[in-house]
Amino acid sequence: KAGVTQTPRYLIKTRGQQVTLSCSPISGHRSVSWYQQTPGQGLQFLFEYFSETQRNKGNFPGRFSGRQFSNSRSEMNVSTLELGDSALYLCASRGSGGAGGELFFGEGSRLTVL
Amino acid sequence: SQKIEQNSEALNIQEGKTATLTCNYTNYSPAYLQWYRQDPGRGPVFLLLIRENEKEKRKERLKVTFDTTLKQSLFHITASQPADSATYLCALDSNTGNQFYFGTGTSLTVIP
Repeated sequence: KAGVTQTPRYLIKTRGQQVTLSCSPISGHRSVSWYQQTPGQGLQFLFEYFSETQRNKGNFPGRFSGRQFSNSRSEMNVSTLELGDSALYLCASRGSGGAGGELFFGEGSRLTVL
Repeated sequence: SQKIEQNSEALNIQEGKTATLTCNYTNYSPAYLQWYRQDPGRGPVFLLLIRENEKEKRKERLKVTFDTTLKQSLFHITASQPADSATYLCALDSNTGNQFYFGTGTSLTVIP
């Protein structure tokens, strides 16, 4: 079974630009969540999607958005990039839609904002 | 809001010894607690899950305890090896499954 795939792995943007990151979950997984990881803050929850519906959103500004498609693939978008958005963005999928299931993470997309 | 603290940012131990990592949380009563391992530049990898009604869980050289009264989980690696060197993260389930709260992690180095 293929794992969680994130693209692109690395990208460099400048302030004010926007970026779209993609995540393909494990086949059959309908829950996809996104996390931002920085050295100072650790893993911070961005949002979670299940069957194309956003079920929960973390404490991030509206510049961060996401969506999920009918095939469970997910994208997240960050508009008007700021230097502080430089981070590793991790996508995780789960087989269970409820509590108690483990997260399967992708390798992440490393975003650098200059 | 939820607060999760892992004992120290870095832990160095000698090969063959038992590593003990701590995860303390406040303002929350999770139904599940999970531990993940993360290597540099990689995504976290699931290790163990323990439920609130379980005191202890084992998997090979790994052992996790969960004390809901103390609001603490301990993660043990016995007979540690240099290959165990990584960052270890504890994560609390939101009880709905929609969100996980992660600690900032403990970087473990096993010295040969």
